[in-house]
Amino acid sequence: KAGVTQTPRYLIKTRGQQVTLSCSPISGHRSVSWYQQTPGQGLQFLFEYFSETQRNKGNFPGRFSGRQFSNSRSEMNVSTLELGDSALYLCASSSVTRGYNEQFFGPGTRLTVL
Amino acid sequence: QKEVEQDPGPLSVPEGAIVSLNCTYSNSAFQYFMWYRQYSRKGPELLMYTYSSGNKEDGRFTAQVDKSSKYISLFIRDSQPSDSATYLCAMSPPGFQKLVFGTGTRLLVSP
Repeated sequence: KAGVTQTPRYLIKTRGQQVTLSCSPISGHRSVSWYQQTPGQGLQFLFEYFSETQRNKGNFPGRFSGRQFSNSRSEMNVSTLELGDSALYLCASSSVTRGYNEQFFGPGTRLTVL
Repeated sequence: QKEVEQDPGPLSVPEGAIVSLNCTYSNSAFQYFMWYRQYSRKGPELLMYTYSSGNKEDGRFTAQVDKSSKYISLFIRDSQPSDSATYLCAMSPPGFQKLVFGTGTRLLVSP
């Protein structure tokens, strides 16, 4: 079974630009969560989508948004990029059929904002 | 104060040592507790999970949860150089797909 895939793996943008990251979950998984990982703050929850609906949201500004398609693939968008948005963005998928939140992570997209 | 506290390390041990990794937390609603391992330039990989309090063993790994103290631990027996990675604790309340992570402890096992 293929794992979670994320594209692109690396991105370099400049301040003020916008960026779109893509995530393909494990086949059959309907929940997709996004996390931001930085050296100072660690892994922080951005949002979670299930069946094309955002179910949970973390404490990030409105510049961070996402969506999920009918095939469970998900995208996240960051508008008006700031230097502090430089981070590893991780996507995780879950079948949500188990009693615990076993989330399988992709390799991440490393975003550098100059 | 962060909801989950974890010593960032690095923790350096010789091969074969017993390693103890710990996290403390403040939210009593947390019911699911996980340990992830993350190698450089990779996504986190789930090692173990525990529901509520108690111990769980899987090979060289043992996870412990003490909800009364809001303290969780991961023990690695007979540590190997291949165990060198960052270990992240994570937890969540029931019914939510939002994991709250510790900042991770970097472990270095020298041959």
